[in-house]
Amino acid sequence: DTVLTQSPALAVSPGERVTISCRASESVSTLMHWYQQKPGQQPTLLIYLASNLESGVPARFSGSGSGTDFTLTIDPVEADDTATYYCQQSWNDPWTFGGGTKLELK
Amino acid sequence: QVQLKESGPGLVQPSRTLSLTCTVSGFSLTSYGVSWVRQPPGKGLEWIAAIWSGGSTDYNSALKSRLSISRDTSKSQVLLKMNSLQTEDTAMYFCARFTGSGYFDYWGQGVMVTVSS
Repeated sequence: DTVLTQSPALAVSPGERVTISCRASESVSTLMHWYQQKPGQQPTLLIYLASNLESGVPARFSGSGSGTDFTLTIDPVEADDTATYYCQQSWNDPWTFGGGTKLELK
Repeated sequence: QVQLKESGPGLVQPSRTLSLTCTVSGFSLTSYGVSWVRQPPGKGLEWIAAIWSGGSTDYNSALKSRLSISRDTSKSQVLLKMNSLQTEDTAMYFCARFTGSGYFDYWGQGVMVTVSS
């Protein structure tokens, strides 16, 4: 299975720029997607196909990468962005998720 | 608007079979696929199974022997069955719509399943 590795947690101040990384154990082309999950809620789609912003998602969110290394960027970070962020690949079977990065605001 | 809603028993005894239903609205099951994703308490997301718009199915290889996913297009429902339940299967179970590229664009609110005697 394709393992997606994310840093467990990050802490940033409002107004700063934050990058959340996701590294795949094998190439996933550009079939990498990002989700935000707030406590007690279902995940919501932020970025699909590595760099495409889902409709309704603020332009503060952006994604980049291909192959094995991907990044989700939030610039500038706002208080409401406190959440856990997951990457997910759909290039290789089975589809897999990263372990999640918990973003906390200082 | 697109909606997905999970339903099922909140508590299941060990070794029993779990049956979950995902009822969808706002789209057709013959146009989009639906997956099940679970999340144990305090942990990350795990993809379980998928049924594509054409009716073909895919399963997480680690769980495949215990799973069955099917659909009833007349009722707009996707059904998941998991047998031989263990305490490790305790989790929030989500159903989610997915596109041909394999990303989940709409999610249900989830149903909590606890495996306990």
